[in-house]
Amino acid sequence: KAGVTQTPRYLIKTRGQQVTLSCSPISGHRSVSWYQQTPGQGLQFLFEYFSETQRNKGNFPGRFSGRQFSNSRSEMNVSTLELGDSALYLCASVRSGGRDNEQFFGPGTRLTVL
Amino acid sequence: AQKVTQAQTEISVVEKEDVTLDCVYETRDTTYYLFWYKQPPSGELVFLIRRNSFDEQNEISGRYSWNFQKSTSSFNFTITASQVVDSAVYFCALSGQYSGGGADGLTFGKGTHLIIQP
Repeated sequence: KAGVTQTPRYLIKTRGQQVTLSCSPISGHRSVSWYQQTPGQGLQFLFEYFSETQRNKGNFPGRFSGRQFSNSRSEMNVSTLELGDSALYLCASVRSGGRDNEQFFGPGTRLTVL
Repeated sequence: AQKVTQAQTEISVVEKEDVTLDCVYETRDTTYYLFWYKQPPSGELVFLIRRNSFDEQNEISGRYSWNFQKSTSSFNFTITASQVVDSAVYFCALSGQYSGGGADGLTFGKGTHLIIQP
């Protein structure tokens, strides 16, 4: 069974640009969560989507947004990039979305903002 | 608000030694879930264990064992006879406030970088 796929794996952008990251969950999984990992702040929850609806959101500015498609694939978008947005962005796939469900993580997208 | 504290930033031991990674959590929930994840240099988080707040039984899986003590809000992880391949960053995590069917965002500790020297 294929795991969680994230594309691209590496990305370099400049300040002020916008970026879109993609996540394909495990087949049959309907929930996708996004996390940001930085050396200073560690791993922080961005948001979670289930059946194309955002159900939970972390404490991030509105520049961070996302969506989920009918096939459960998800994208997250960051507009007006700042240097501090440089991070590893991890996507997690959950079968049905209950909070006891194991979250399967993808390999991440490493974003560098110059 | 939830909080997870992993006080050990980095631990270095020699292969075959036993090592314990500490995790202390804070939550107001009566029902909650605790997790441990391993992050090797490749970056992908690997699930190790999930424990719910009603199950305080310790668990052993091969060389890995977990000690959950609700009275001290701790969920410690022990690796017995450590191996070089155990070198990684280990994260303890707590599930968030249940909010109507969502896969709650996990609250992670800062992680413990474990170095196993040959």
